[in-house]
Amino acid sequence: AQSVTQPDIHITVSEGASLELRCNYSYGATPYLFWYVQSPGQGLQLLLKYFSGDTLVQGIKGFEAEFKRSQSSFNLRKPSVHWSDAAEYFCAVVPLYSGAGSYQLTFGKGTKLSVIP
Amino acid sequence: EAGVTQFPSHSVIEKGQTVTLRCDPISGHDNLYWYRRVMGKEIKFLLHFVKESKQDESGMPNNRFLAERTGGTYSTLKVQPAELEDSGVYFCASSLGQGDLLDTQYFGPGTRLTVL
Repeated sequence: AQSVTQPDIHITVSEGASLELRCNYSYGATPYLFWYVQSPGQGLQLLLKYFSGDTLVQGIKGFEAEFKRSQSSFNLRKPSVHWSDAAEYFCAVVPLYSGAGSYQLTFGKGTKLSVIP
Repeated sequence: EAGVTQFPSHSVIEKGQTVTLRCDPISGHDNLYWYRRVMGKEIKFLLHFVKESKQDESGMPNNRFLAERTGGTYSTLKVQPAELEDSGVYFCASSLGQGDLLDTQYFGPGTRLTVL
């Protein structure tokens, strides 16, 4: 079945440490890939997206993600975490051949990030 | 530029009652999406409007849910009658829809619905 998996429900890191959030997808063809973040009381904000081309994608707030076709993964990384990065992070996809112009996002369950000062 | 706004931010109702959620998209955005996150589960798509027309409503759970977007501006999502399993956070998102491949969906803060 088509799915998006974020295996880590909750991650805690120290401020200044590096971060990697995992995302795997299961689709016949590589879908369009997204990472969103939701800070407390806020809506989801797009961090970055991948459609094709360079497999290392740069996003906002110092985040990047690497697409690995062989592993069906799209992991999110940040070299040095700030306390303000504490939030919930969602990996999402749109299947490559979305019909009828409806680009509905399919989300993983999310990963909550806590940052220790 | 104002973002996507949703009202109310939180609603508590009893089973069997009716609730109407409202979403105001970013001005000029033709596409409007509704999503829902039930506690402990993924955010799931409900439906998609292009202007005032329903483009895709494949995610609507049942006929107790009615979405409208009169005039192609704001949208409402009515749940009537509400059941316990309808509790969750309802998100609205909008996108420009001017031909850019997969233009960004901008999300509102959500409405937390609690059905007792």
